[in-house]
Amino acid sequence: GENVEQHPSTLSVQEGDSAVIKCTYSDSASNYFPWYKQELGKRPQLIIDIRSNVGEKKDQRIAVTLNKTAKHFSLHITETQPEDSAVYFCAAHNAGNMLTFGGGTRLMVKP
Amino acid sequence: SAVISQKPSRDICQRGTSLTIQCQVDSQVTMMFWYRQQPGQSLTLIATANQGSEATYESGFVIDKFPISRPNLTFSTLTVSNMSPEDSSIYLCSVVLSISWQADTQYFGPGTRLTVL
Repeated sequence: GENVEQHPSTLSVQEGDSAVIKCTYSDSASNYFPWYKQELGKRPQLIIDIRSNVGEKKDQRIAVTLNKTAKHFSLHITETQPEDSAVYFCAAHNAGNMLTFGGGTRLMVKP
Repeated sequence: SAVISQKPSRDICQRGTSLTIQCQVDSQVTMMFWYRQQPGQSLTLIATANQGSEATYESGFVIDKFPISRPNLTFSTLTVSNMSPEDSSIYLCSVVLSISWQADTQYFGPGTRLTVL
């Protein structure tokens, strides 16, 4: 089955700096890669996603890149703000709408 | 997106008892899933809830422990049976919307925080 690894597990940045979270996946058939943000005590919320026919996608301060050959994808947050502090999960989707999640990254943005 | 609700939002239960968690969506959805999130951990898929038939369980999860029902396109239940402290987790349902052109996108319910004493 699919295996998704996520790094780093914790990330601390100063407000205004950029943050990058990286994930690798094992199943070359995976074709959809969402990113979720989970604030403490809340549900995971989809923040951005990318499909296998696209190499990069951007939404304001958030961007995701995908390298299918290397089987890795990354989340980039620019101009970080304290409200970006949360746990971020990457996921990979292959057949049957099954998502496999990475282990999560706890991002702390220091004011 | 859809409005997804879960009941109860949290519960504290005694070991050996069972708890049924409900997931209700305000629109018809194609697929419903149940996940477990242990404290400080990632999300692990328990099963896919299939309408009108038995759920499809992932490795490590069995029907006797986690019976699931899905009587229609908007509702599902997950029961955690014969609970032990190791079952203390957040249980989340997620859905794929039938009206969304992005059929892969999953949206999560608010979760049920279960503590077993």
